[in-house]
Amino acid sequence: EPEVTQTPSHQVTQMGQEVILRCVPISNHLYFYWYRQILGQKVEFLVSFYNNEISEKSEIFDDQFSVERPDGSNFTLKIRSTKLEDSAMYFCASQDRGANVLTFGAGSRLTVL
Amino acid sequence: DQQVKQNSPSLSVQEGRISILNCDYTNSMFDYFLWYKKYPAEGPTFLISISSIKDKNEDGRFTVFLNKSAKHLSLHIVPSQPGDSAVYFCAASGEGAQKLVFGQGTRLTINP
Repeated sequence: EPEVTQTPSHQVTQMGQEVILRCVPISNHLYFYWYRQILGQKVEFLVSFYNNEISEKSEIFDDQFSVERPDGSNFTLKIRSTKLEDSAMYFCASQDRGANVLTFGAGSRLTVL
Repeated sequence: DQQVKQNSPSLSVQEGRISILNCDYTNSMFDYFLWYKKYPAEGPTFLISISSIKDKNEDGRFTVFLNKSAKHLSLHIVPSQPGDSAVYFCAASGEGAQKLVFGQGTRLTINP
């Protein structure tokens, strides 16, 4: 069964450092998402991406965040200067045209020290 | 801004009995509702969904009920099995948006 893959599974970084989280969505899907879940809290929407541009973003997704689909297969989330409160599980998801279901990856755990 | 609420953080059910997980929403523009299941160290996995034009959808042991007037949906699992132990998230979409809005999750524990 097709799946969304994410790397790394866990990254530890120092506050202020840049982090790039990578995702390979399901190949024929057209919509891409990043969500995050801070420990013990709910899964929160960060950003959606369609047709090579951001279609919607939340208040969390400030200037420190950016997304890119550099080569037609990978979908990346960059955090320019990490803060302690960026520590969370980050989930990538993809969605087929006309579908309501998002397929999620296993997540990347980011720990900011 | 809690548009989707799951008021029970945890639920414990005996194996073989029915598990009922509840979810409330406030945004009347939501027109599609989903349940996701999540195991530790894994991403959410789609379980079952329902459109706002229906009030019930069934898939094997899983049934989702939607009460639009009360802005309430529930997930019934019967019979409950130990492998059903996980965190269950209710999610909703609508207003032409593709994104999902999630509830806080309910941790279901099935006791043998």
